[in-house]
Amino acid sequence: AQTVTQSQPEMSVQEAETVTLSCTYDTSESDYYLFWYKQPPSRQMILVIRQEAYKQQNATENRFSVNFQKAAKSFSLKISDSQLGDAAMYFCAYQKAGNQFYFGTGTSLTVIP
Amino acid sequence: DAGVIQSPRHEVTEMGQEVTLRCKPISGHNSLFWYRQTMMRGLELLIYFNNNVPIDDSGMPEDRFSAKMPNASFSTLKIQPSEPRDSAVYFCASNKGQAAYEQYFGPGTRLTVT
Repeated sequence: AQTVTQSQPEMSVQEAETVTLSCTYDTSESDYYLFWYKQPPSRQMILVIRQEAYKQQNATENRFSVNFQKAAKSFSLKISDSQLGDAAMYFCAYQKAGNQFYFGTGTSLTVIP
Repeated sequence: DAGVIQSPRHEVTEMGQEVTLRCKPISGHNSLFWYRQTMMRGLELLIYFNNNVPIDDSGMPEDRFSAKMPNASFSTLKIQPSEPRDSAVYFCASNKGQAAYEQYFGPGTRLTVT
């Protein structure tokens, strides 16, 4: 079975600094997709970034980027120039080719002014 | 375009009562997912429909839980009878039913069973 592990239950970062959230996953498949979702206090789940496993290039969305290491089954999220609005719970998710999703347990990010 | 719609947003009920949660997926999406979120267990997939057919219900906790999708624009999650341990936030999500498409989540229903 696929599992997604987020080993950091809580992280904090100073405003304007950079923080990296870790995620590892377990799979025997070669074709899959990875996502980071953000859940602010409003509890609405919002897509942050997506990575296709067949692409070697790391995905980037403005201040958000990933470090995708397929052989190591690692998918970390880097937030640059952290802002107060980045404070939220962040979930890593794995999507298999059959469209089933598996989520990690989340990392709570605090941004310190 | 409207997002995933869930109702009610909040539900408070007494133990033993029947609870029905409702979801309207985004138009054109043919896959629908029900999740439960708690502090202890995180985000758990309960059931996954594709083209209105349940594909994976292995996450449904027990017989007290049932889910239906009578058509492409509506799904229900029913708990009968409800128990205090069912208290959680229940999310509905939808996508286009193929890999590479992200899920779009509804705002969730916060259920409290007293």
